[in-house]
Amino acid sequence: GAGVSQSPRYKVAKRGQDVALRCDPISGHVSLFWYQQALGQGPEFLTYFQNEAQLDKSGLPSDRFFAERPEGSVSTLKIQRTQQEDSAVYLCASSPSGSRQFFGPGTRLTVL
Amino acid sequence: GESVGLHLPTLSVQEGDNSIINCAYSNSASDYFIWYKQESGKGPQFIIDIRSNMDKRQGQRVTVLLNKTVKHLSLQIAATQPGDSAVYFCAERMDSSYKLIFGSGTRLLVRP
Repeated sequence: GAGVSQSPRYKVAKRGQDVALRCDPISGHVSLFWYQQALGQGPEFLTYFQNEAQLDKSGLPSDRFFAERPEGSVSTLKIQRTQQEDSAVYLCASSPSGSRQFFGPGTRLTVL
Repeated sequence: GESVGLHLPTLSVQEGDNSIINCAYSNSASDYFIWYKQESGKGPQFIIDIRSNMDKRQGQRVTVLLNKTVKHLSLQIAATQPGDSAVYFCAERMDSSYKLIFGSGTRLLVRP
């Protein structure tokens, strides 16, 4: 069956540009999560949605980061005025219940 | 978890041997634990999970052991195969929050 998909898989941005990363969760999954993974490290939580409601955004590193899930399905993570320290892999995960989370392949963002 | 950057702890095993990957978790209030396998360029792949009311759970070729007294989790892989080579992450979750907190990861290398 179809898993979590993310697009684009790779994104190169110049410092100061805005980027938008898309996540298509597994159909019917209520919960959706965004994580950031730096090279050689484990994923770190950014934000969590239950349906269209953003219940936890405590992991977003700054107000340049914004996430939405307006219809409770597809989600977009937007980063404004990108900085070099934003370079990382951004992972999306979905879950039917909030427990077992299934990850997408990630978007590798490189900020030059 | 503590970052080890690019220098992940590495476990090297002979093909066919059993592997044991260990993880120390940080929060005694965590009630759910999960192991993921991550291959290069891919998102984390679910392996097995366990709730805090259990101390052992078995899957296909994998067993997870939980010792809440010392806050320790282990993943045992039986008859390790070359396809098991990857980075393995443990993650914990507190019931009050759905976010996963990942450990720093262990690289498993399987020698043919």
